[in-house]
Amino acid sequence: TQLLEQSPQFLSIQEGENLTVYCNSSSVFSSLQWYRQEPGEGPVLLVTVVTGGEVKKLKRLTFQFGDARKDSSLHITAAQPGDTGLYLCAGNFNKFYFGSGTKLNVKP
Amino acid sequence: DVKVTQSSRYLVKRTGEKVFLECVQDMDHENMFWYRQDPGLGLRLIYFSYDVKMKEKGDIPEGYSVSREKKERFSLILESASTNQTSMYLCASSVSGQGNTEAFFGQGTRLTVV
Repeated sequence: TQLLEQSPQFLSIQEGENLTVYCNSSSVFSSLQWYRQEPGEGPVLLVTVVTGGEVKKLKRLTFQFGDARKDSSLHITAAQPGDTGLYLCAGNFNKFYFGSGTKLNVKP
Repeated sequence: DVKVTQSSRYLVKRTGEKVFLECVQDMDHENMFWYRQDPGLGLRLIYFSYDVKMKEKGDIPEGYSVSREKKERFSLILESASTNQTSMYLCASSVSGQGNTEAFFGQGTRLTVV
C-alpha cells in the first residue's frame, strides 16, 4: 500500500473542461507538494502547501490542503493541451514519498 | 541554472550484467535519491543519501546498491541485472530538512534488461 493515494489514475478530457485530481493519505503531513512530469523528463515542482485549509493558485491551477493536513486537491480550470502530463503529489519526511500519479491528457 | 544530470537517457543491458547509473548535481545539496518509476506505481524510493558515504535503504532496495564518494555524485548499482529491473530510473537531490524543501530531478534513465 502506498502512503499517498491519488485519483483518478487516468483522465482524458477536451480542451476547455475543468478537472480535479485528489491526493489522500491516512498520515498527517507538515506539507504536501504537487509535481508535474512531462514525457521524457523528470518531475518539476508546481507548488507546496503548508497550512491546513490553505489554497494556492497558479494561473488556472488551484491547489488546496485539507484542514486535517491528510489530503490535497488540484483543480484545473479550462484545461489546455499544454496541461497534459503526469501529476504527482508528494510528502516530505526528509525523503520524498510520491503518490501513484494522475495521467492527464487534454485533447484539442 | 540548477541541474541534476543523469549519465544516460537510454540503456540496454543483458541479464546478469553489473549496471552503473550515474547522477551528478551542481547545487551542493546534502540529500540525493534514486527512484524507479513504473506505470501505475508512481515513484518508488530505492535508496537515498543524506551525506557523503552515508546511505539509507528506501522501500525497494533489493537487487540494488549505491555509492556516494563525493557530495555531488550518487551512483546506483544493479549488481546482477534482471528483467524485472527494466524501468525508468530517476535521480533527485534536495537540501536537507522536511516540509518545504524541493526535490530537483534529472531527466531519467530508461533501462531495458534483456
